[in-house]
Amino acid sequence: DAEITQSPRHKITETGRQVTLACHQTWNHNNMFWYRQDLGHGLRLIHYSYGVQDTNKGEVSDGYSVSRSNTEDLPLTLESAASSQTSVYFCASSEPGSEQFFGPGTRLTVL
Amino acid sequence: AQSVTQLGSHVSVSEGALVLLRCNYSSSVPPYLFWYVQYPNQGLQLLLKYTSAATLVKGINGFEAEFKKSETSFHLTKPSAHMSDAAEYFCAVSRNSGGYQKVTFGIGTKLQVIP
Repeated sequence: DAEITQSPRHKITETGRQVTLACHQTWNHNNMFWYRQDLGHGLRLIHYSYGVQDTNKGEVSDGYSVSRSNTEDLPLTLESAASSQTSVYFCASSEPGSEQFFGPGTRLTVL
Repeated sequence: AQSVTQLGSHVSVSEGALVLLRCNYSSSVPPYLFWYVQYPNQGLQLLLKYTSAATLVKGINGFEAEFKKSETSFHLTKPSAHMSDAAEYFCAVSRNSGGYQKVTFGIGTKLQVIP
């Protein structure tokens, strides 16, 4: 069965460190998204991609970057982790105009 | 521009009672609308979606939603709540622009089911 996975599921890091969160999907979807979920804010879009070599900034992209070298993967990098980036991160993928399929999430704590 | 408003960040119902979760949207073009459910420590999963076909949409687990253009609403209902329905529910609006998709989520409504 097709799926979307995220790793690690839990991560604790220190302020200033670079962190990369992995997202891998086997749906063969062109569209991939990264969100963060915080209490009172719902889901906020960080970055998204509509295909290989395509990346775009979302509404809360400062301090984050992504790269898309193949269809399956969209890793999210925190250049220099800050305490404000403590959150739960979700990756999703979709076909254009269709529903998004979500990964199980990564809980990141920045100390 | 598009936006989603979910009225009530927390809703409590008794087991067996009607579930009504409200969602209003704004969109400059005919939208696609979605309801997702999130159980604790899990990702979101699709409950149902409206894509300009029938205005009454049936989803999984006995949920349904009605698209009302005049009211710009897409409220989620279930006739009889079950304990397993306790979760957080997100309404989302999507539009396609030049082949690209933009999705906006509401802030979510946490449903509590009281035995």
